[in-house]
Formats: sequence, C-alpha cells, structure tokens
Amino acid sequence: NAGVMQNPRHLVRRRGQEARLRCSPMKGHSHVYWYRQLPEEGLKFMVYLQKENIIDESGMPKERFSAEFPKEGPSILRIQQVVRGDSAAYFCASSFDAGGYTFGSGTRLTVV
Amino acid sequence: SQQGEEDPQALSIQEGENATMNCSYKTSINNLQWYRQNSGRGLVHLILIRSNEREKHSGRLRVTLDTSKKSSSLLITASRAADTASYFCATDAGQAGTALIFGKGTTLSVSS
Repeated sequence: NAGVMQNPRHLVRRRGQEARLRCSPMKGHSHVYWYRQLPEEGLKFMVYLQKENIIDESGMPKERFSAEFPKEGPSILRIQQVVRGDSAAYFCASSFDAGGYTFGSGTRLTVV
Repeated sequence: SQQGEEDPQALSIQEGENATMNCSYKTSINNLQWYRQNSGRGLVHLILIRSNEREKHSGRLRVTLDTSKKSSSLLITASRAADTASYFCATDAGQAGTALIFGKGTTLSVSS
C-alpha cells in the first residue's frame, strides 16, 4: 500500500494558466480531503469528497477552483486562470473512518 | 477559520532538552491530533488523543488534553536535532468525513 499519492510534487504555472493537481487515496479509503498551506501557515481545509460526490466545499474559493473524485481514477483539484496568490502547497488526505487520516506529500504550486 | 492555536510560534532548544508546545481550540471536539512537518515536506501523524482521554504516550512524546480548558500540550523529551520541524495540532468532530482543522503551528529548532 503506497499511501496517499499526490502528483506532481512541484508545479509551475504562468498567471492565467490552469493547474491540475491529482490525488490517489489509500486503497480502501473513500473519503478525500484537500487542504491548502500558505507559507508560514497551517493547513486550511478546502473541500471534502466521497466517490463522485462533493460533501463539503465550504473552504473552496467561490471562483476558479473546482474538485472532483470520479468513480474511477484519482481526485482532481483544478485551479483555472491561476494568480500569484494561488502559490501554495496543496495537500490531500484520505480516510476510511474517523481519525484515520493519511496525508500525501503535497503538490507545491508556484505561479510566476 | 483556525480552530487550534499553537503556542509558542517558535521554540529553540539544545539537544537533550525537553520541548513543550501548547494548543488551544475553540469548539467541542472528539479527537485532537498532533502532526509534524519537516521543511518543505508533507505531514507526519504523531499521535491522536480522544476527548475522553487525558494523557497519552508514544515513545518520547507525551500528549495531554484538558477539555475543560480546551487545550492540549505536546511534550518531546530528550530532544534531538532530527526533531527540528513544525508541529501542528488538528481537531475534528470524530465522524467520518469531518475535516481536520489545523492551527498555525510551532516551529521547533533543536541545535546540537
């Protein structure tokens, strides 16, 4: 079991481009969470998904950000028309039940 | 919004000394967890303490929880240079699908 896999590890995008971040949860985990970490800050919750459903997106910016967790394949966090303020580390976590969170190593997005 | 607030923000000690970090939170919880993050890396889960527990040990780590004060502490005994990292507390309501809420973290530097 390889744990939670995120790719790419590092992503550089120019302003206005799209960023797609992928997260494959641990085998058997049906809950996926996305967090964003700005420099010198803690992680902030963005969105919680189960297979094919968004359960809680209260932490997602209203525009340009979207997330999905299809029946087959990884969860995708998509940021359209990126701006410099989107530069951050984006972490994915998965869980099977309460308290069993496993985090990926993150994707570090740099917008130039 | 941030749930946990760690104190101090930064801590510098010598190898062999003990390090104590504190975390306060605002709402009722079912679990409180501590994570470590090395610079530029992902999160490593250290320890989970449930709301009905008062103290928990794991190796050189000791965690206490005071639900009446809504606070927790993490003690690292006999610190080593390899303990240098940021430490975060995170709380959740304990049900599947409840997102973790993180504090801003304590940055620990252990010098040899």
